[in-house]
Amino acid sequence: GQQVMQIPQYQHVQEGEDFTTYCNSSTTLSNIQWYKQRPGGHPVFLIQLVKSGEVKKQKRLTFQFGEAKKNSSLHITATQTTDVGTYFCAGVPAEGAQKLVFGQGTRLTINP
Amino acid sequence: DSGVTQTPKHLITATGQRVTLRCSPRSGDLSVYWYQQSLDQGLQFLIQYYNGEERAKGNILERFSAQQFPDLHSELNLSSLELGDSALYFCASSVGGRPYEQYFGPGTRLTVT
Repeated sequence: GQQVMQIPQYQHVQEGEDFTTYCNSSTTLSNIQWYKQRPGGHPVFLIQLVKSGEVKKQKRLTFQFGEAKKNSSLHITATQTTDVGTYFCAGVPAEGAQKLVFGQGTRLTINP
Repeated sequence: DSGVTQTPKHLITATGQRVTLRCSPRSGDLSVYWYQQSLDQGLQFLIQYYNGEERAKGNILERFSAQQFPDLHSELNLSSLELGDSALYFCASSVGGRPYEQYFGPGTRLTVT
């Protein structure tokens, strides 16, 4: 079945440093979504990308969808302590069953 | 607050028992999704209902079943519980039938002893 791999699994940074997490799908996606889960919380929808090569920004967060629609990245500039949490990518396959498949997530911790 | 409600927040039960988890979607959302999140694991999709009908199925065990009622709330039934069923169970909702832009509830933490 479809798999979505996310790296790294863990990332620890100093406050103010940049952070990037990468997502790769085994199959072509119709769209990719990103969610953030704070410790002890529930996943919160951040953004959805649907077009090949699409780039979207939300303040210090930049999301990219690959040209082949099989990979994506999330980059955070100048991290703040409020960015702590686990970031999940999730993809919907372009063909077959319309199910959201989540990556394993990248847990971000920050040293203030 | 996402607008999705789940009850109960916590549930402790013994192996072999049966439990029911409840979810009310955001106002106006027709789809409800159920996910399982085990310790240090990602989110495993279980099942989706759209406007009362089963829409998509994931890795849901035969011991588990779900339904969506006319008022659009949903219940997830877990039976013959095993220790390995201990996990966080999230419900999510979305406007349409496609799995886009989902809003998650606070989850139910199930502990099987």
